[in-house]
Amino acid sequence: GENVGLHLPTLSVQEGDNSIINCAYSNSASDYFIWYKQESGKGPQFIIDIRSNMDKRQGQRVTVLLNKTVKHLSLQIAATQPGDSAVYFCAENIGGFQKLVFGTGTRLLVSP
Amino acid sequence: GAGVSQSPSNKVTEKGKDVELRCDPISGHTALYWYRQSLGQGLEFLIYFQGNSAPDKSGLPSDRFSAERTGGSVSTLTIQRTQQEDSAVYLCASSLGSAGGQQTQYFGPGTRLLVL
Repeated sequence: GENVGLHLPTLSVQEGDNSIINCAYSNSASDYFIWYKQESGKGPQFIIDIRSNMDKRQGQRVTVLLNKTVKHLSLQIAATQPGDSAVYFCAENIGGFQKLVFGTGTRLLVSP
Repeated sequence: GAGVSQSPSNKVTEKGKDVELRCDPISGHTALYWYRQSLGQGLEFLIYFQGNSAPDKSGLPSDRFSAERTGGSVSTLTIQRTQQEDSAVYLCASSLGSAGGQQTQYFGPGTRLLVL
């Protein structure tokens, strides 16, 4: 089965709000995590990644938090925009193995 | 610059036919991956190529699935005797690739396969 899962299949927010998308993983040996955004009809687009020796990493309007104690990963999007509407996937990688294990995804809907 | 490209973008075939899906990775990327995404699902790993090393085929669901990578660049995923459950989006990704490295995988737009 999958190592990675998501709590919320759909998240609806208003434009300008902050969004938080959560992900749980079960493999404590995972040491690299990635968030991807997938718009309809397109391939996944890299958003941000984090290695297991970090607990927080910031990008442009996005922040990823990693809590290894409870095996939890989150993606925070600041000032959410309609263009952020998509399905978001977390993925994990175990050192030395190049394949990514993906969760089932969370759909983010941003209303103007 | 050019990203990962895949062809065809859509493929409709009849049950029992063979199909070939093509992937052109980003120039200079030595690692190439194939994933499958069923409707409303996450991505399922199929196969991974790194340089001239033997591919990791651990994700291929049956012996009807095979993949080649010629000259360390273009890859072809072949599905023989297609079944309706093979209907999915087949995604290719590439990364710079290095032994033991953890590198960002960049995805192509996918090939949408429908088996009637």
